[in-house]
Amino acid sequence: AQTVTQSQPEMSVQEAETVTLSCTYDTSESDYYLFWYKQPPSRQMILVIRQEAYKQQNATENRFSVNFQKAAKSFSLKISDSQLGDAAMYFCAYRSGNTGGTSYGKLTFGQGTILTVHP
Amino acid sequence: DGGITQSPKYLFRKEGQNVTLSCEQNLNHDAMYWYRQDPGQGLRLIYYSQIVNDFQKGDIAEGYSVSREKKESFPLTVTSAQKNPTAFYLCASSIRGQPRPQHFGDGTRLSIL
Repeated sequence: AQTVTQSQPEMSVQEAETVTLSCTYDTSESDYYLFWYKQPPSRQMILVIRQEAYKQQNATENRFSVNFQKAAKSFSLKISDSQLGDAAMYFCAYRSGNTGGTSYGKLTFGQGTILTVHP
Repeated sequence: DGGITQSPKYLFRKEGQNVTLSCEQNLNHDAMYWYRQDPGQGLRLIYYSQIVNDFQKGDIAEGYSVSREKKESFPLTVTSAQKNPTAFYLCASSIRGQPRPQHFGDGTRLSIL
C-alpha cells in the first residue's frame, strides 16, 4: 500500500517571500501521479499542481512549482511571492497509474500542512 | 456550470440513527469517491465507485454504506455502527481511465447530538 507523509504540520511565511512544503511517499509502483491540493478555510479542495512520475521535468503553475525527486520519493511544493490568499491547509496526494486494478483513481493523502502567511 | 453538489452542509445525528449524505455531480464523471477528514489526519477514503452499480471499500469503510444506482449520484449512509461519525465528509469525482485529478464538492459537516 502506498503512504504519503507530510512532516511539517505547520509552516509560516512572510508575504512576498518563498516557502517550501515537504512531502515524501512510499510506493513500489513506477507509474503514478502526484498532486498538491489547497484547502482554504472554506474547506473547498482546490488542485494546485500535478506531476506525472514519468516526466523528469518539474511541474510549474505560475507561482507554484514542485521539486520532484523520484529516486528519493520526494515531492516538495515551492510557493514564490507568497500572498495572503495562499494561507490554507496544503495536502500532498498520490494516485496510482496502474489502470488494470479496481483501485485506479484512488487518492492517498498526506496529513496536511497548515500554511500561515504574515503581512 | 458543472460541478459536485453535496447536501446538507451541516448534519446532526442522534445516537443509534442512520443518516445519509447526498452527493450529486453533473460533470459526466464515471468515478466517484467519499472521503472523511478529521483534524490532523488528512483525508481518508471511505468508499469509491468506478461505474454504476459497482463500488469498492476504501481504507475506513466500517460503519458506512453506499449505493451507485445512477451515474450522477453517490449517496453515503453513516450507520449506527459508526461509533465516531463526527467529521467533515468530502465527495469527489473524476473521469475514469484517465489520469485526471479529482474534483471535490464543498463537503458536509456531521456532528453527534
